[in-house]
Amino acid sequence: DIVMTQTPLSLSVTPGQPASISCKSSQSLLHSDGKTYLYWYLQKPGQPPQLLIYEVSNRFSGVPDRFSGSGSGTDFTLKISRVEAEDVGVYYCMQSIQLPLFTFGPGTKVDIK
Amino acid sequence: EVQLVESGGGLVQPGGSLRLSCAASGFTFSSYWMSWVRQAPGKGLEWVANIKQDGSEKYYVDSVKGRFTISRDNAKNSLYLQMNSLRAEDTAVYYCARSSVDLHYFDYWGQGTLVTVSS
Repeated sequence: DIVMTQTPLSLSVTPGQPASISCKSSQSLLHSDGKTYLYWYLQKPGQPPQLLIYEVSNRFSGVPDRFSGSGSGTDFTLKISRVEAEDVGVYYCMQSIQLPLFTFGPGTKVDIK
Repeated sequence: EVQLVESGGGLVQPGGSLRLSCAASGFTFSSYWMSWVRQAPGKGLEWVANIKQDGSEKYYVDSVKGRFTISRDNAKNSLYLQMNSLRAEDTAVYYCARSSVDLHYFDYWGQGTLVTVSS
């Protein structure tokens, strides 16, 4: 089974400053179809998760462009160019290369200084 | 507007059973794979089970195999999770989630229903 790890597990950011979260997988998420099945979700307090990024670097509909994703193979990064108060919550990476199974990372809690 | 509304959670004793439901609206339910994802209190997300559009394929995380059964009723636009032999470690908020068309992510989630397993 693929294991997902994230660092850091918590992050305190000053509004307007950038933030970066790392996600690593125990196996490559590059599929033979050429796609890399790595996703980023944000779970705001008291809410279900919402999709931010799909296939490493594509912003989902309605996601602000201050969010960006990058990486390849087993190493991935989510960056927030300028953190806003509404960005607080827990960020999860998720892999789905081994359908129909899904694995989430442990989550990174982001709060505002 | 896509809506997923879970119900059926509550307090149950270890070894007991519970049936969760998810009412779907705002999309053609019978056209999508559906999943259950859970979150233990203060913990991360764990995919639990999913089911194909016609119910012919079902998959489970190892920790619930043989105890949980996912099912659906496309005529009622509803998803279910029958949970038997419940354990304390099954305590969690259970979310109903729709799979994307390419199956690789969850594009809509319900608000969740809390299941507490305790004596």
